[in-house]
Amino acid sequence: ELKVEQNPLFLSMQEGKNYTIYCNYSTTSDRLYWYRQDPGKSLESLFVLLSNGAVKQEGRLMASLDTKARLSTLHITAAVHDLSATYFCAVETGAGSYQLTFGKGTKLSVIP
Amino acid sequence: EAQVTQNPRYLITVTGKKLTVTCSQNMNHEYMSWYRQDPGLGLRQIYYSMNVEVTDKGDVPEGYKVSRKEKRNFPLILESPSPNQTSLYFCASSLYGQDQPQHFGDGTRLSIL
Repeated sequence: ELKVEQNPLFLSMQEGKNYTIYCNYSTTSDRLYWYRQDPGKSLESLFVLLSNGAVKQEGRLMASLDTKARLSTLHITAAVHDLSATYFCAVETGAGSYQLTFGKGTKLSVIP
Repeated sequence: EAQVTQNPRYLITVTGKKLTVTCSQNMNHEYMSWYRQDPGLGLRQIYYSMNVEVTDKGDVPEGYKVSRKEKRNFPLILESPSPNQTSLYFCASSLYGQDQPQHFGDGTRLSIL
């Protein structure tokens, strides 16, 4: 059974600081997603990571994937208040299955 | 506008009264899926469908049914709802293709009394 663990689950950080959210998973997978959810809202796709060493960046967010370590990171650079949200990673359960197992989410609060 | 539409958005009902949550997408996506979101548990997959007439169980299918008679629609049916099915439900869809993320609906908040 695939397990997906995110760390930390809660993160409070000051504007302008950098931080990293970690997503570990327990079995082999080559496809990993990052989503953002604002309070009371739906999920918005941020990144799709398809292979070992994949790195994607959008604004102040950068995601990477190390399939050998079964680890993905979401790095936040110079945080701003607008980044406050809950971030989920999701891992494909089996190759080509389109089934996703989600982490429990990291609730990020960026304080002015 | 490309979207995934769920109805109703909110529903309060009683134990045992059959209900259906509809999900419709206008993007011609092959893949559709239902998730429930509970505090502290993240999202868990209920059922998914790879195409018309093709459905399969996710991680938490007990107490739910689905059907996929048309490509655009994927209703979630609770034949005899119970309080432990009180949750926030999301429908999602995507194209096939390794780089295609799932697009989520706005969610349906169900309360079963």
